[in-house]
Amino acid sequence: EVHLVESGGGLVQPGGSLRLSCAASGFTFSSHWMGWVRQAPGKGLEWVANINNDGSKEYYVDSMRGRFTVSRDNAETSLYLQLNSLRAEDTAVYYCARLQTESNVIFDYWGQGTLVTVSS
Amino acid sequence: EVVLTQSPATLSLSPGERATLSCRASQSVDGYLLWYQQKPGQAPRLLIYDSSKRATGVPARFSGSGFGTDFTLTISSLEPEDFAVYFCQQRKTWPPITFGPGTKLDI
Repeated sequence: EVHLVESGGGLVQPGGSLRLSCAASGFTFSSHWMGWVRQAPGKGLEWVANINNDGSKEYYVDSMRGRFTVSRDNAETSLYLQLNSLRAEDTAVYYCARLQTESNVIFDYWGQGTLVTVSS
Repeated sequence: EVVLTQSPATLSLSPGERATLSCRASQSVDGYLLWYQQKPGQAPRLLIYDSSKRATGVPARFSGSGFGTDFTLTISSLEPEDFAVYFCQQRKTWPPITFGPGTKLDI
């Protein structure tokens, strides 16, 4: 069974940093692209970033490029998201999601999310 | 960037009724449109991909249709567990991957 468990969220001051982690199990991690999607409280879904299966290519939404960095460790079957220069509008639940092998843009399994709150 | 709009914002129906949800794209996405279901406090769940293909384990009462810019998610006979928020997503043109704002299906 596919299992994705995020961690690392919490309360951080504006301008601060956090590193989110996503532990994956139940599938061949190195065969799948992975992604992050966030959801501000009471709002819709916003794509953050994707990373290809060997970690050599990263894709970001323009508004977060340069502040956020996605990475992965296939040996540890883990996905990461480094969040820097955080702003109040980055407050959201951050979901880790697996992408289908047939299409690297279909999120077929999601974790339960980790909440990031940016506030002084 | 492909902008997705969904209508209605809220749909109030009763169990057993038929639900029809709409998603419209600002430019053609061919058949590359997906639907997700999200229940309160839960992660989204993939329901439909490429306009009409049901994801693994999705009941047959869920169906999708459409091509180009206009798409529909139909739930043929609502079950109590179907009351949730539904989001569409396009995969034709990215980055960025874009989602619609959602339709809340209310009892």
